[in-house]
Amino acid sequence: KAGVTQTPRYLIKTRGQQVTLSCSPISGHRSVSWYQQTPGQGLQFLFEYFSETQRNKGNFPGRFSGRQFSNSRSEMNVSTLELGDSALYLCASSLSTSGGYNEQFFGPGTRLTVL
Amino acid sequence: QQPVQSPQAVILREGEDAVINCSSSKALYSVHWYRQKHGEAPVFLMILLKGGEQKGHDKISASFNEKKQQSSLYLTASQLSYSGTYFCGTNNNAGNMLTFGGGTRLMVKP
Repeated sequence: KAGVTQTPRYLIKTRGQQVTLSCSPISGHRSVSWYQQTPGQGLQFLFEYFSETQRNKGNFPGRFSGRQFSNSRSEMNVSTLELGDSALYLCASSLSTSGGYNEQFFGPGTRLTVL
Repeated sequence: QQPVQSPQAVILREGEDAVINCSSSKALYSVHWYRQKHGEAPVFLMILLKGGEQKGHDKISASFNEKKQQSSLYLTASQLSYSGTYFCGTNNNAGNMLTFGGGTRLMVKP
């Protein structure tokens, strides 16, 4: 069974630009969550999508948005990039509908550098 | 509010045991444990569910005190491959959203 894939793996952008990251979950998984990981703030929850609906949202500004398609693939978008957005963005998919009943499988991440 | 993990770092010799703790101020539905090696994605270790059910790897054990909203991960007879950063993630039945602790760095030396 193929794992979670994320593209691209590395991105370099400049301040003010926007970026779109993509995540393909494990086949059959309808829940996709996004996390931001930085040395200072650790692993922080961005949002979760389930059946094309955003179900939960973390404490991030509106510049961070996402969506999920009917095949469960998900994208996240960051507009008007700031230096502080430099981070590893991780996508995780899960089989469970709620309650964290099943493990989340993480993709390799997209390393975003904002110059 | 994120859960608090302790200790922040621990160094072991091969074969020694360690306990990593995770404490939350919120009522929990489940606690997840993950290990992340440098430059890699977090890897699932254990889930502990409200009500006592556990799922995870045979060689790793953990506990979940629902009344205290605390969980502990027990690493016994540590191996070099156990080195990495351990994260607990808590869920309070809000979808599959996990709130992660700050991590515990574990180094196992020969």
